[in-house]
Amino acid sequence: DIQMTQSPPSLSASLGETVSIECRASEDIYSNLAWYQQKSGKSPQLLIYYASSLQDGVPSRFSGSGSGTQYSLKISGMQPEDEGVYYCLQGSKYPYTFGAGTKLELK
Amino acid sequence: QVQLKESGPGLVQPSQTLSLTCTVSGFSLTSYNVHWVRQPTGKGLEWMGVIWTGGSTDYNSALKSRLSISRDTSKSQVFLKMNSLQTEDIATYYCARGLTTEGIDDFDYWGQGVMVTVSS
Repeated sequence: DIQMTQSPPSLSASLGETVSIECRASEDIYSNLAWYQQKSGKSPQLLIYYASSLQDGVPSRFSGSGSGTQYSLKISGMQPEDEGVYYCLQGSKYPYTFGAGTKLELK
Repeated sequence: QVQLKESGPGLVQPSQTLSLTCTVSGFSLTSYNVHWVRQPTGKGLEWMGVIWTGGSTDYNSALKSRLSISRDTSKSQVFLKMNSLQTEDIATYYCARGLTTEGIDDFDYWGQGVMVTVSS
């Protein structure tokens, strides 16, 4: 199975701060990577697909980048509603595998 | 609008079989794939399996021997059955719609999830 190593496990950001979350795959996943946000007590929501495509309705402060085995999610200007846990998911090979998650809090 | 809703017993006895239903609306099971994902309380997400638009399935190899996914397209329902349940199967179980882009599925709509406990 492809292993997804996500970092950091947690971080705290101030209002308006730019935040980055990383995911490293154990092998090339050819940009078949998505990012999800999960707020407390809620189902996950799709933010980014195919590494850098913004899902409809997602604020433009979210962006994704990367290729090969290294990917990142950037939030340009932390907002209170961005608190939650963020997960990467690779869809290059079955089984699909998630990163362990990054808990983002407002400082 | 697109909706998915999981249902099933919240409590299953050890070694028994879990049966969950995902009832969908706003789309056809012959046009979109449906995936199952679970999340132990306070932990991360685990992909379990998928039923494709054509009715075939793929499973997480770690669960394959215990897991079965099927559907009834006339009722817009997808079924998950997993046998030999143990305490490590305690989790919230989600169904999610697969939106195929660039050849792979992303999960654009999710159900609210159903919490399953394993206890005698």
